[in-house]
Amino acid sequence: DAGITQSPRHKVTETGTPVTLRCHQTENHRYMYWYRQDPGHGLRLIHYSYGVKDTDKGEVSDGYSVSRSKTEDFLLTLESATSSQTSVYFCAISDVGTTPDTQYFGPGTRLTVL
Amino acid sequence: GEDVEQSLFLSVREGDSSVINCTYTDSSSTYLYWYKQEPGAGLQLLTYIFSNMDMKQDQRLTVLLNKKDKHLSLRIADTQTGDSAIYFCAVENGGGADGLTFGKGTHLIIQP
Repeated sequence: DAGITQSPRHKVTETGTPVTLRCHQTENHRYMYWYRQDPGHGLRLIHYSYGVKDTDKGEVSDGYSVSRSKTEDFLLTLESATSSQTSVYFCAISDVGTTPDTQYFGPGTRLTVL
Repeated sequence: GEDVEQSLFLSVREGDSSVINCTYTDSSSTYLYWYKQEPGAGLQLLTYIFSNMDMKQDQRLTVLLNKKDKHLSLRIADTQTGDSAIYFCAVENGGGADGLTFGKGTHLIIQP
């Protein structure tokens, strides 16, 4: 998976609790992304980062925040988890500037909010 | 925003060709992509095509792009049981750095 790990791989939590998912890369790629995958929706972009401390919102950013304090780590936080955030979350990295700007995906984190 | 449409299921016999179709709304994408997802796994880049090309062939895979109709297709020749997966069409959001917009994915089912 192109040197990308996600932790935890599985998590069950309760509504209203905070949750942080971690994406770690060893490729020194500048761009990192968080997507969620839901049946009937494919993958949808939550947030992305184009460098340390530089982030932007994607299509479905409400209820999520991100942080990137180091090139290798991109954190996704659900401040107060809701059942609608039950999903599989994928991190991706990209070395923008190469041709094409291929995204490489991590193995995913399955989050269940009860 | 960008909209990418795919049919949800395709069933083919082993050995036949599979053709997975995709339509999109925004033609500004420089590259268009096909990703493959096997059960319980992440997405794997299968192939891509530059927007100025009409066709790209890579072993058993053929990608066709019709920019006028905003239609992208993936043909898999001699489909095998190992090709059973979900196939996602994806286009770039503006420049490639702004992430990708994916279709909902096509489940390819192989009949013996």
